[in-house]
Amino acid sequence: DTAVSQTPKYLVTQMGNDKSIKCEQNLGHDTMYWYKQDSKKFLKIMFSYNNKELIINETVPNRFSPKSPDKAHLNLHINSLELGDSAVYFCASSQSSDEQYFGPGTRLTVT
Amino acid sequence: GESVGLHLPTLSVQEGDNSIINCAYSNSASDYFIWYKQESGKGPQFIIDIRSNMDKRQGQRVTVLLNKTVKHLSLQIAATQPGDSAVYFCAEKDTGRRALTFGSGTRLQVQP
Repeated sequence: DTAVSQTPKYLVTQMGNDKSIKCEQNLGHDTMYWYKQDSKKFLKIMFSYNNKELIINETVPNRFSPKSPDKAHLNLHINSLELGDSAVYFCASSQSSDEQYFGPGTRLTVT
Repeated sequence: GESVGLHLPTLSVQEGDNSIINCAYSNSASDYFIWYKQESGKGPQFIIDIRSNMDKRQGQRVTVLLNKTVKHLSLQIAATQPGDSAVYFCAEKDTGRRALTFGSGTRLQVQP
């Protein structure tokens, strides 16, 4: 009965590779988000989708491309991975953009 | 730019004491505030929220206080327990923005 789930939980890859992180929510929410948490625990919004439409796109390199096949899923694809992409990525969802429910996170390590 | 910040990066309290975690924000257009708890290896977990038309809201063992005059938010945890040990984040949102802006987090350590 997990509300917001992400796969994989851990991802270790080499520089230059392309990888994807998947997110699914079963709460019936209309808005989904991707956040990045750095080594100092700072959480920053990357993208937000509302009913499959991109509504927030922060200053994120265009190597990052979110895709929302339906309103219950928001995937994050990253091209040409760099060392600085190492972080924990959190997916979240909300209804009417107030209380957001977070997934367990995906720890990405780029070597 | 606009920011949400915390005064204390680490707070250490004795089990059974009350804890107060403070947060300052600078966006005068913020109308919604929320506290999250993040345990090691997990995602942020909702604790309590408050809208700008209120100055106090209580939950189970937690109280959030909002002072709009000085742009200050606090989280009070009564009878702190070892299970309360975590990093606590405040976050805010204004009406023109869907995403939350998070503060830098405070680590709460509860000593038995």
